[in-house]
Formats: sequence, structure tokens, C-alpha cells
Amino acid sequence: GAVVSQHPSRVICKSGTSVKIECRSLDFQATTMFWYRQFPKQSLMLMATSNEGSKATYEQGVEKDKFLINHASLTLSTLTVTSAHPEDSSFYICSARDRRRGGAGELFFGEGSRLTVL
Amino acid sequence: GEDVEQSLFLSVREGDSSVINCTYTDSSSTYLYWYKQEPGAGLQLLTYIFSNMDMKQDQRLTVLLNKKDKHLSLRIADTQTGDSAIYFCAENGSSNTGKLIFGQGTTLQVKP
Repeated sequence: GAVVSQHPSRVICKSGTSVKIECRSLDFQATTMFWYRQFPKQSLMLMATSNEGSKATYEQGVEKDKFLINHASLTLSTLTVTSAHPEDSSFYICSARDRRRGGAGELFFGEGSRLTVL
Repeated sequence: GEDVEQSLFLSVREGDSSVINCTYTDSSSTYLYWYKQEPGAGLQLLTYIFSNMDMKQDQRLTVLLNKKDKHLSLRIADTQTGDSAIYFCAENGSSNTGKLIFGQGTTLQVKP
């Protein structure tokens, strides 16, 4: 079946540094990918919609200059957390939709990336 | 607005049936989903139901949809310890792009 891969799965960084998380669709092309954030024991909150070849669409309250999204190809979207602070520590999950399929049923999630900012 | 509500915790004994409930507010949702999340892992799609269906069964899983009451449930028959996880209900709202609105998640604890 379709697989979405995220890398790295875990990252620890110092406050003030930037961290890049990759989301790849391994066996399908995705014109649209989604980035979610999940705090401990809470639900997933959509951060932004990543569109191949165009700018990402950010949800209300999400700083686009803080969370840079690049969707340079049909199989790769990246999320860069710039100047990370401890409050950015979270579990970041991406999802991707197979462009070949219709409907909204075929949405696949990555395994998530846990960011810890010291 | 769009909102999805779930109870936070459910505990059952191994072999019993589990029923996880969810309510949503957006009547324009065309798809409703159930995802499973194991500790430290991403989300696994368990099943989904199209909004014009009342029921969908897939092996041990049964999804019931009451569109009038905007109520969705997931029944797991013969619950096993491996079913212990967090279960998220989600809807696609008025969007068909793949953007989903998630509930808070229900932690299912299965006791041996």
C-alpha cells in the first residue's frame, strides 16, 4: 500500500536553531500534503496545507515565517521550524493524498517527527 | 464552525466489544474517518464511511453513522490487547482536499 515517510523521526536541538523535517510519499505522487502538530495527549491540529509548486496555505494562528513549508516536488514536502524555542517542542505529522485517486478516502499519514527543543 | 468531540477514555476487558463514540458539527462532511495511533507513532487509517451510508463493517470493525444526530461510532468486536491505542475520529468538513478536523482522541485500554 501507499507509504508516507517522515525524517527524522526524532530530533533534539538547541533553542535558536532551525530544524527541517521531510515528508515523502514513497510510491505515489502527492500534489497536496498536510502538516499537523500534536501536543501530548491532545488532538492533531492542522498547521498548513502544502501545495506542490505554489505557496503553502497556513491555518489561522500559525506563523508562516516560523514554520517554513516547501513542496518542491510531487513526492516531497519539507517543514522547517526556524529559530526553534522550547514551546515548539511537539510531534509533527504529515499526510499526503494520492493524486491518482478521487474522493477523500485515500489520505496517508507519516509516522511523525518528535521535536524536542532544549 | 467545525468541531469534533470524543470521550477521552474507555476501558474494556479482552474479548469484550468496545464502542467509541464521536459527535461532529459540520453537516456538509462527506467522509468520516477513524484513525488509530499507537504510542509514539503516526496515524493509521482504520476505516472511513461516506456520509450517505449508515453502516460499514470491516472484519472486527463496525462503523455506525447517524447523520441526523451527527453521531459516529466505532465498534471493535473481540477486543484484543493489541487494540490498546488512541482512536481519533475525523471529518473532512466542507473541504474535499484532504484537510481533516480531528477529535481529541479516545484512549482505549484493554485489560487482560
